[in-house]
Amino acid sequence: QQPVQSPQAVILREGEDAVINCSSSKALYSVHWYRQKHGEAPVFLMILLKGGEQKGHEKISASFNEKKQQSSLYLTASQLSYSGTYFCGTENFGNEKLTFGTGTRLTIIP
Amino acid sequence: NAGVTQTPKFQVLKTGQSMTLQCAQDMNHEYMSWYRQDPGMGLRLIHYSVGAGITDQGEVPNGYNVSRSTTEDFPLRLLSAAPSQTSVYFCASSSTLSGASGGISTDTQYFGPGTRLTVL
Repeated sequence: QQPVQSPQAVILREGEDAVINCSSSKALYSVHWYRQKHGEAPVFLMILLKGGEQKGHEKISASFNEKKQQSSLYLTASQLSYSGTYFCGTENFGNEKLTFGTGTRLTIIP
Repeated sequence: NAGVTQTPKFQVLKTGQSMTLQCAQDMNHEYMSWYRQDPGMGLRLIHYSVGAGITDQGEVPNGYNVSRSTTEDFPLRLLSAAPSQTSVYFCASSSTLSGASGGISTDTQYFGPGTRLTVL
């Protein structure tokens, strides 16, 4: 079952902040975040594991609320290069089956 | 390292034809997967494999077959192409990540460049 992302789309001016949310109806073990530019393959941003461990880029921050099965990706002081579609992916405990949401399209304008 | 390679980049099929999308990785990753991407639908998992000889179904497996005879290769077969299978197909590979809580997750997914398939 695909995780649910919100919002579906957001438009920001350069320098503004954004939060992208991801939620699941099932107990999660890990949450993954990727960004995809038009016509390209998705690129890794971050992994958050149950228990608090994280792996990802220094300039990207995210949270994982294990009780609510929710994750949020925080984009601060946005730059033009942040534009693209952001996908969250989720895995359940004991199941290495990475399922992605439908994406959030982020547009940054000068 | 070439990373993850996919062939062909573009393909046009007629309804009912069969074909195989190729995917190979040279990073010795145990985990490989196939996704299809359609407008507004995100990335949907078709099949995945946690190692040579082991495959399992994803969210949308109907009409597709896979096998994993080697660590490096994970081909996707379309048995009888239908217009509903028009899509962009991505192959991905990763190692695994062990957490302190005892679980295992897939690690960073390395995606191939994609195959754009049109079924007429």
